[in-house]
Amino acid sequence: EAQVTQNPRYLITVTGKKLTVTCSQNMNHEYMSWYRQDPGLGLRQIYYSMNVEVTDKGDVPEGYKVSRKEKRNFPLILESPSPNQTSLYFCASSFKGQGKESYNSPLHFGNGTRLTVT
Amino acid sequence: GNSVTQMEGPVTLSEEAFLTINCTYTATGYPSLFWYVQYPGEGLQLLLKATKADDKGSNKGFEATYRKETTSFHLEKGSVQVSDSAVYFCALTLYNQGGKLIFGQGTELSVKP
Repeated sequence: EAQVTQNPRYLITVTGKKLTVTCSQNMNHEYMSWYRQDPGLGLRQIYYSMNVEVTDKGDVPEGYKVSRKEKRNFPLILESPSPNQTSLYFCASSFKGQGKESYNSPLHFGNGTRLTVT
Repeated sequence: GNSVTQMEGPVTLSEEAFLTINCTYTATGYPSLFWYVQYPGEGLQLLLKATKADDKGSNKGFEATYRKETTSFHLEKGSVQVSDSAVYFCALTLYNQGGKLIFGQGTELSVKP
């Protein structure tokens, strides 16, 4: 089954304790991205990756890191979490080919990770 | 800048009622437009899309028409069901933005039997 898998689904941690949220997709997609979802703000992009070893900042990258060493995996790292990073996080992937139509490929989302930082 | 604005929710309807969720956008260039749906406890999934002016996207009884003159992409359904209860997100992407989706804030729909 084609899917994007995030782990864990729920995470409660304390300020300053490093954590990693994993994301893996089995669709051989080039493009992967992380979003956070907050009430009244919709989804905001944190980081994205166009392919292996190619990552770039989204709209709200502060306090986050990512890596793309393999095509299927795109972990999100919080080196020193703070309470304002309490949120619902989504990983997503899509096919990115050539030309304009490649940018219309639908995003496939994971089921989310609800993070609470106390 | 580029942005998407949706009508505020929650929207509460009775089963078989007509649904409209308004969405307007601001964009430099010619965006592609999308509606995504998020069911409780799940990630978002694509509902429909339109990639150029006057295109109509449709899926599962939902429709939306890309209106360039009014910069709108309103979501409609003629007869909603309880199973349509979810959060609906309008979004756009631009060719020169690396495929980034810009989302509206989401509209929660609750359908009562």
